[in-house]
Amino acid sequence: DSGVTQTPKHLITATGQRVTLRCSPRSGDLSVYWYQQSLDQGLQFLIQYYNGEERAKGNILERFSAQQFPDLHSELNLSSLELGDSALYFCASSVFDANTGELFFGEGSRLTVL
Amino acid sequence: EDKVVQSPLSLVVHEGDTVTLNCSYEVTNFRSLLWYKQEKKAPTFLFMLTSSGIEKKSGRLSSILDKKELSSILNITATQTGDSAIYLCAFTASGTYKYIFGTGTRLKVLA
Repeated sequence: DSGVTQTPKHLITATGQRVTLRCSPRSGDLSVYWYQQSLDQGLQFLIQYYNGEERAKGNILERFSAQQFPDLHSELNLSSLELGDSALYFCASSVFDANTGELFFGEGSRLTVL
Repeated sequence: EDKVVQSPLSLVVHEGDTVTLNCSYEVTNFRSLLWYKQEKKAPTFLFMLTSSGIEKKSGRLSSILDKKELSSILNITATQTGDSAIYLCAFTASGTYKYIFGTGTRLKVLA
């Protein structure tokens, strides 16, 4: 158990809908990273927050948004869902601001868009 | 553009074999290279290699960083069925906050 908690574990929804994925980082970690993993794809970096501030953005679609709250949990919002958004979404946390240490991953949220 | 390539994409071996997984990267201002093991869900950390620590070993697993060749290898000796997983490598660069992952090598160890 990495200490990173993600909910929900599984989510099935329809095209056009909107969902919110939630992540609680390890105790003491200030950085949260979101990744998308599609079938046979590596981990695609979406976005990173540190202590409530956005630090880095990857290939995140405009339909997706995220934020980190004062209690350090983070939410990833996915809207106008398409079939291609079906994937495993990981949250990872780190105590560091910069990428100087290891990342600890949650179990992921598997999103299925029908 | 910064990128990382892993090879082979997949590998099937028998218990007891030794395997070598490769990771090559193209990045400016390289900081570190990390290896992760992904079984069913969450990737779990194996090693982090930097300029000051180019070789790491833990039990049957070991990894070396070749900064000149911009690559790293992960060796697993005396493989076991429990080593079956996707092995991911990632690099980081100074001046950014990202961890860039490769697509992974899928290893299957047969009994």
